[in-house]
Amino acid sequence: NAGVTQTPKFQVLKTGQSMTLQCAQDMNHEYMSWYRQDPGMGLRLIHYSVGAGITDQGEVPNGYNVSRSTTEDFPLRLLSAAPSQTSVYFCASSPGTGVGETQYFGPGTRLLVL
Amino acid sequence: GENVEQHPSTLSVQEGDSAVIKCTYSDSASNYFPWYKQELGKGPQLIIDIRSNVGEKKDQRIAVTLNKTAKHFSLHITETQPEDSAVYFCAALGRGGSEKLVFGKGTKLTVNP
Repeated sequence: NAGVTQTPKFQVLKTGQSMTLQCAQDMNHEYMSWYRQDPGMGLRLIHYSVGAGITDQGEVPNGYNVSRSTTEDFPLRLLSAAPSQTSVYFCASSPGTGVGETQYFGPGTRLLVL
Repeated sequence: GENVEQHPSTLSVQEGDSAVIKCTYSDSASNYFPWYKQELGKGPQLIIDIRSNVGEKKDQRIAVTLNKTAKHFSLHITETQPEDSAVYFCAALGRGGSEKLVFGKGTKLTVNP
């Protein structure tokens, strides 16, 4: 299994541009999520999905959209990039949402918005 | 909602010494407390976890303790090695599903040879 994969690894955008961060997992996990990691802020939940066709907002959803058309893929879209969205983005998945379900993280996408 | 505080933010130890990282949480209903290790340029990886019905759990050189009354939990690493150098995150699962997992801000551990 490849686990959780993310592309691209690094991206530079200009303010106002849009882009999609890709996330895929091959473990047949129902739960997938997106986090952003900023210095001194830890990991903050952006959006999550408990299964194909179901998505919901996390702690910091503004400026981001998600969709879950398949179990495997969970792309994150930046509609109009802003410098405040400069961050490292991590996708994670777990078999379910119960207590003790291990979350597996991807390697991350480093985004710089100029 | 749940709030998790983690201390210290940086920790430097000599190889062979022990390292302790402490976290406190606010929601008394939280019932699951994982610890993640993040190496440079990689995503976080689960290293140990503990449920609210257990006071201590150990896995080789790593142990986690939980004090439900005081609402704090700690990570203990014994006989530290240079490869233990990383950022460590604690987390607490509040009421609800995995979307309620709240992370601390992380501790950068440096083990000096």
